[in-house]
Amino acid sequence: ILNVEQSPQSLHVQEGDSTNFTCSFPSSNFYALHWYRWETAKSPEALFVMTLNGDEKKKGRISATLNTKEGYSYLYIKGSQPEDSATYLCASILPAAGTASKLTFGTGTRLQVTL
Amino acid sequence: EAQVTQNPRYLITVTGKKLTVTCSQNMNHEYMSWYRQDPGLGLRQIYYSMNVEVTDKGDVPEGYKVSRKEKRNFPLILESPSPNQTSLYFCASSYTVAGGYTFGSGTRLTVV
Repeated sequence: ILNVEQSPQSLHVQEGDSTNFTCSFPSSNFYALHWYRWETAKSPEALFVMTLNGDEKKKGRISATLNTKEGYSYLYIKGSQPEDSATYLCASILPAAGTASKLTFGTGTRLQVTL
Repeated sequence: EAQVTQNPRYLITVTGKKLTVTCSQNMNHEYMSWYRQDPGLGLRQIYYSMNVEVTDKGDVPEGYKVSRKEKRNFPLILESPSPNQTSLYFCASSYTVAGGYTFGSGTRLTVV
């Protein structure tokens, strides 16, 4: 992996379903992995910043895990609600960046939760 | 209220007419960045700054300038805008490089 990649590109679930998305990133020279939630017509909001291999973070019904050795992170949403509808972005620092300040974003997973 | 303030929210301009998009944060953050959002391409970094008078290019710096004369302000300057700079722009700041970024409300720029 040479870039930050997210899958799936979009997801459509029903209220109450649990779901998860994947973020893949270069595992060499890992520094930090960010997750953001971006609602339509608003700005991205930070959900989690993860730095340690094996780290797990939780905020309400949303949680995330991190595997820095294999270069992936999962974001889980338990019991999806319509208000969870948003684009979920992950971001990391690419090894070629040469500095820890160049945060590179994936293209996001667009989640739509219907009643 | 801790925030990043961008102005203007919307701007329509003509090719070649210099413009500045302002960005100001009230959280004493050291790190500030500018991103542009285009359909299918995700957020791409234009320029970033690690502190006053310290700026560097991101992934798509061509056609843009920035300055960081004060810690709170990080304006984005388009000296001669072109239609390919039509985009949604976000300013963001963070206390540390590993910390989550706080984003401004965005500036939708149209260059005709």
